Amino acid sequence: DSGVTQTPKHLITATGQRVTLRCSPRSGDLSVYWYQQSLDQGLQFLIQYYNGEERAKGNILERFSAQQFPDLHSELNLSSLELGDSALYFCASSVAWTDREKLFFGSGTQLSVL
Amino acid sequence: AQSVTQPDIHITVSEGASLELRCNYSYGATPYLFWYVQSPGQGLQLLLKYFSGDTLVQGIKGFEAEFKRSQSSFNLRKPSVHWSDAAEYFCAVGSYQLTFGKGTKLSVIP
Repeated sequence: DSGVTQTPKHLITATGQRVTLRCSPRSGDLSVYWYQQSLDQGLQFLIQYYNGEERAKGNILERFSAQQFPDLHSELNLSSLELGDSALYFCASSVAWTDREKLFFGSGTQLSVL
Repeated sequence: AQSVTQPDIHITVSEGASLELRCNYSYGATPYLFWYVQSPGQGLQLLLKYFSGDTLVQGIKGFEAEFKRSQSSFNLRKPSVHWSDAAEYFCAVGSYQLTFGKGTKLSVIP
């Protein structure tokens, strides 16, 4: 158990809908990262937050947004969903934003868009 | 732009045999290199990392990797594979945001 909690584990929805994925980082970790894992694109970095502030942005679509709350949990919002958004979404956390070596991953949320 | 190539999509080895998983990277500066393992239904777990210094790095579960700058490679090795090593392995590079390879799935024959 990495200590990173993601909910829900599975999510099935329809095209055009909006969903929210939730992540609770390990106790003491200030940085949260979101990754998308799909069969065709592999693992892709989406976005990073550190202590409530956006720190880095990767290949995140405009239909997607995220935030980190004062209690450090994070939410990834996916809207106007398309079939291609079906993927495993991982959250990871680390103590600091430069501390790459201590990245702890959650078990992921499997999103299926039908 | 940084990139990672894992040439082998799927590798099958017998239990007790040696293992080498290949990783080639492209990066503009001195790379930070990582190997992660993903078991079915699980998140990724860090096996080992290279930042600088000794080019042969030891990790958890008996894995090691060697950084070869001249070949832009960071291959993962294990002298004797156990059935529990069956998983998917990802090589990653980055110093600010990680770029992952597509992964190599390892199957172990008892």
